[in-house]
Amino acid sequence: EAGVAQSPRYKIIEKRQSVAFWCNPISGHATLYWYQQILGQGPKLLIQFQNNGVVDDSQLPKDRFSAERLKGVDSTLKIQPAKLEDSAVYLCASSSLGTGGPIQYFGAGTRLSVL
Amino acid sequence: GNSVTQMEGPVTLSEEAFLTINCTYTATGYPSLFWYVQYPGEGLQLLLKATKADDKGSNKGFEATYRKETTSFHLEKGSVQVSDSAVYFCALSRYGNKLVFGAGTILRVKS
Repeated sequence: EAGVAQSPRYKIIEKRQSVAFWCNPISGHATLYWYQQILGQGPKLLIQFQNNGVVDDSQLPKDRFSAERLKGVDSTLKIQPAKLEDSAVYLCASSSLGTGGPIQYFGAGTRLSVL
Repeated sequence: GNSVTQMEGPVTLSEEAFLTINCTYTATGYPSLFWYVQYPGEGLQLLLKATKADDKGSNKGFEATYRKETTSFHLEKGSVQVSDSAVYFCALSRYGNKLVFGAGTILRVKS
């Protein structure tokens, strides 16, 4: 079974530029998450989708971040314009229902450096 | 709100030493508890989980027991190997929604 795919693996941009990250979840997983992991911290949820609907985007900085999940499969996270403090690893995860509840499977992440 | 507190690292051990990484949580209700591991250059991998009080999760020689009375989920391993060097994250989830992570604990195992 293929895992969660993310691209690119690394991205370097200057502040005020825009950037987009792509995620392909595990086939059949209805729930998709985007997390932000700042160096030295645990990941924090940005947005959660159930199929192509948003379940939780309370921590998404909506003035600069946007995300979509067309057709309930792939997802794109965009930052426009980027700030220095957006430098982080952006992790995508998807989940399926397992014994005792859903298990989240993570991609390798996209490391963003904003200069 | 919900939160997770982990012991600060880095934790440095010699091979075959006993490992404990402390984790306590604050949550309403009865969350599910997880340990995730992040090897260098890789994504997060689920190590083990427990979904109710007194459950013990175990995998690859690691164990953790869900202690409701102390709101804890400490990670233990009897004999660590160099290959266990990684960052370990304790996390909780309610109703299968977002994971709330601790800050992570770096483990370094020397040969």
